Amino acid sequence: DSGVTQTPKHLITATGQRVTLRCSPRSGDLSVYWYQQSLDQGLQFLIQYYNGEERAKGNILERFSAQQFPDLHSELNLSSLELGDSALYFCASSPQGLRNTEAFFGQGTRLTVV
Amino acid sequence: ELKVEQNPLFLSMQEGKNYTIYCNYSTTSDRLYWYRQDPGKSLESLFVLLSNGAVKQEGRLMASLDTKARLSTLHITAAVHDLSATYFCAVDRVNSGNTPLVFGKGTRLSVIA
Repeated sequence: DSGVTQTPKHLITATGQRVTLRCSPRSGDLSVYWYQQSLDQGLQFLIQYYNGEERAKGNILERFSAQQFPDLHSELNLSSLELGDSALYFCASSPQGLRNTEAFFGQGTRLTVV
Repeated sequence: ELKVEQNPLFLSMQEGKNYTIYCNYSTTSDRLYWYRQDPGKSLESLFVLLSNGAVKQEGRLMASLDTKARLSTLHITAAVHDLSATYFCAVDRVNSGNTPLVFGKGTRLSVIA
């Protein structure tokens, strides 16, 4: 168990809908990252937050948004869902200030858009 | 743009054999990570390589880093079925702070009897 908690584990929804994925980082970790994993694109970095502020942005669609709250949990909002958004969405966290460390991944949310 | 390439992408090997997975990256970085993923599961950190010449070993897996060649290897010794999984290497985008990792496409390893 990495200490990173993601909910829900599975989500099935229809095209055009909006969903929210939730992530609680490891205790003390200030950085949260969101990744999308699909069969054809591999692991794609979406967005990073550090202590409530957006730190880096990757290949995140305009229909997607995220935020990190004062208690450091993060939410990824996906709207106007398309079939191609079906994927595993991972949240990872790492401590800031400790340079030589790795990111710890949650169990992921499997999103299926039908 | 930082690119990370792994090869092979698929590897089927017999139990007891040795093999090496390669990870090349395109820009300067001094931190490289290896992760393991079982089907439908999360990514588990295996190794963190922090400097040129770093070598780490855990059981039948050994990872090394050559920053001059921008190359890391993951060597598997005397493979067993439990090692069947997908292995990813990942590199920092820049050489400072906690920046997002860029992943290779992964090597799907299947160990057969």
